[in-house]
Amino acid sequence: QQPVQSPQAVILREGEDAVINCSSSKALYSVHWYRQKHGEAPVFLMILLKGGEQKGHDKISASFNEKKQQSSLYLTASQLSYSGTYFCGTVSPGNTPLVFGKGTRLSVIA
Amino acid sequence: GAVVSQHPSWVICKSGTSVKIECRSLDFQATTMFWYRQFPKQSLMLMATSNEGSKATYEQGVEKDKFLINHASLTLSTLTVTSAHPEDSSFYICSARLGVNLYEQYFGPGTRLTVT
Repeated sequence: QQPVQSPQAVILREGEDAVINCSSSKALYSVHWYRQKHGEAPVFLMILLKGGEQKGHDKISASFNEKKQQSSLYLTASQLSYSGTYFCGTVSPGNTPLVFGKGTRLSVIA
Repeated sequence: GAVVSQHPSWVICKSGTSVKIECRSLDFQATTMFWYRQFPKQSLMLMATSNEGSKATYEQGVEKDKFLINHASLTLSTLTVTSAHPEDSSFYICSARLGVNLYEQYFGPGTRLTVT
């Protein structure tokens, strides 16, 4: 079952922050975040495993609340290069395939 | 590490012909490979899961006789679109998983199929 992402789209000015949310109605083993630029394949950002954790890389971080079956991606001090569509993907226990949400289109403008 | 390649990058074919897309894991053995399809401005939709040496598992609504998947080795999976029609035009992306208990998936660069 497809996870639900919000918002569907967001426009930021350079330097502003954004939060993208991902929630699932199913128990989750892991949450994966990807960014996709137009015409390209998705690029892996990070994976969060059950047990509830937070991760970060540079100015992009994420959290995973296993009990609530939710994850959030945090982009701080956004840069023009952050523009793209962000997808969360979820994996449920049992080596199930990665299922993607519908995506959040992020546009960063100067 | 964990590089996945796809070939071809793009292909244009006539309606009614068949097209084969290859997906290779270059520096690791992939026990499981996945095929996704993405239409413009939409999300990636899982088509099928393939495990080396066994039949692929197709998602609901995906015609297994139309989209033939072969996972002949731990580094190669192929998707053949048979009797292609214009509505099959899409971006096809494969991904590979390192192991049964390793849930990271690495994606190939995708193949853009246009059926005229």
